[in-house]
Amino acid sequence: DAGVTQSPTHLIKTRGQHVTLRCSPISGHKSVSWYQQVLGQGPQFIFQYYEKEERGRGNFPDRFSARQFPNYSSELNVNALLLGDSALYLCASSLEGRVLSEQYFGPGTRLTVT
Amino acid sequence: AQKVTQAQTEISVVEKEDVTLDCVYETRDTTYYLFWYKQPPSGELVFLIRRNSFDEQNEISGRYSWNFQKSTSSFNFTITASQVVDSAVYFCALSVPYSGAGSYQLTFGKGTKLSVIP
Repeated sequence: DAGVTQSPTHLIKTRGQHVTLRCSPISGHKSVSWYQQVLGQGPQFIFQYYEKEERGRGNFPDRFSARQFPNYSSELNVNALLLGDSALYLCASSLEGRVLSEQYFGPGTRLTVT
Repeated sequence: AQKVTQAQTEISVVEKEDVTLDCVYETRDTTYYLFWYKQPPSGELVFLIRRNSFDEQNEISGRYSWNFQKSTSSFNFTITASQVVDSAVYFCALSVPYSGAGSYQLTFGKGTKLSVIP
């Protein structure tokens, strides 16, 4: 079975631009979470979606938004990019939205903002 | 608020040595879950273990073992007879359920980079 997939793998953007990152969960999983991992740090929670509804939001500015589609795939959008947005963006999927469900992480999208 | 502290930034050991990675957590919730993840150079986080706050039994899985002590808010991870393939960054994480919605988020420590030297 395919694991969590993310696209693109790498991305280079300029300050002020907008970016869209995509995530496809494991088949049958209904929950998707997004994390930002700055170099040398642990991942930080951005959003969780379950059954197309936002279930949780981390401490990130409104420039960050996300959505989940009927097929449970998800997009993370970041507007007005800043240099500090350069990071590895990780997507995780789980069967349900509850903590008992194990989260499986994708390989991530490495975003570089110049 | 939740917090996870991994005081060891980097550890180097010689192959076949045992190594323990420390994790201290903070939370006011009585129901919570603790995790360990491995992140090899490829970047993908690999799940190792999940432990809930009501289960203080230690666990062993092959060369891996985990020691959960609520009295000291610690959840330490030991690798026995380390191998070069164990070289990676290891993250400890904490999760508490959101009230009502049943959702959750993982709060990660900063990670410990383990290098196993042949």
